[in-house]
Amino acid sequence: GQQLNQSPQSMFIQEGEDVSMNCTSSSIFNTWLWYKQEPGEGPVLLIALYKAGELTSNGRLTAQFGITRKDSFLNISASIPSDVGIYFCAGVPAGGTSYGKLTFGQGTILTVHP
Amino acid sequence: DGGITQSPKYLFRKEGQNVTLSCEQNLNHDAMYWYRQDPGQGLRLIYYSQIVNDFQKGDIAEGYSVSREKKESFPLTVTSAQKNPTAFYLCASSIRRTRYNEQFFGPGTRLTVL
Repeated sequence: GQQLNQSPQSMFIQEGEDVSMNCTSSSIFNTWLWYKQEPGEGPVLLIALYKAGELTSNGRLTAQFGITRKDSFLNISASIPSDVGIYFCAGVPAGGTSYGKLTFGQGTILTVHP
Repeated sequence: DGGITQSPKYLFRKEGQNVTLSCEQNLNHDAMYWYRQDPGQGLRLIYYSQIVNDFQKGDIAEGYSVSREKKESFPLTVTSAQKNPTAFYLCASSIRRTRYNEQFFGPGTRLTVL
């Protein structure tokens, strides 16, 4: 099936720093979603993107749908300790019968030191 | 409050026993999904259902079974045929539209097979 490569795998940063992570695919995607998961909990949807080039913000979080439609980026500004968790990208490949089926990246583990 | 509930939070079973995980939603969503998450990995799709009385296999359906008799309920049975059932199981739901694929997750059930 489709594969999403998410990087970096983990990040250790100081409180107040900005964070950038990305997700890439070898094929075109129609939809990009970004989720955050805290230990022992289900993922929470942060941002949804539906158009190439789209830039969407949610508080200190900003995500972009890459122009090539093969990648997406998530930035977190001025990180705080409660940003700790695993950030997953997910997407829906273009074409075919992939309606409703998301492909997930492996996740980026974010640790914020006070 | 609208949302997705999964019960129980923790489940222990002996090897060779079937076990059923509950998932209920009151969001009036048409589609429901089951994912498996192993440590350090992304989410893998087990089964999904877009309408009542219909469901499709995901990427790792072997050893699992589901039913969708009611719109709000999508129970997952982990059978004794599943070779490595210990994992974190997540249920999700979404509105069934042609374009939007935003899935919302429950809190998860951690299954441990002894």
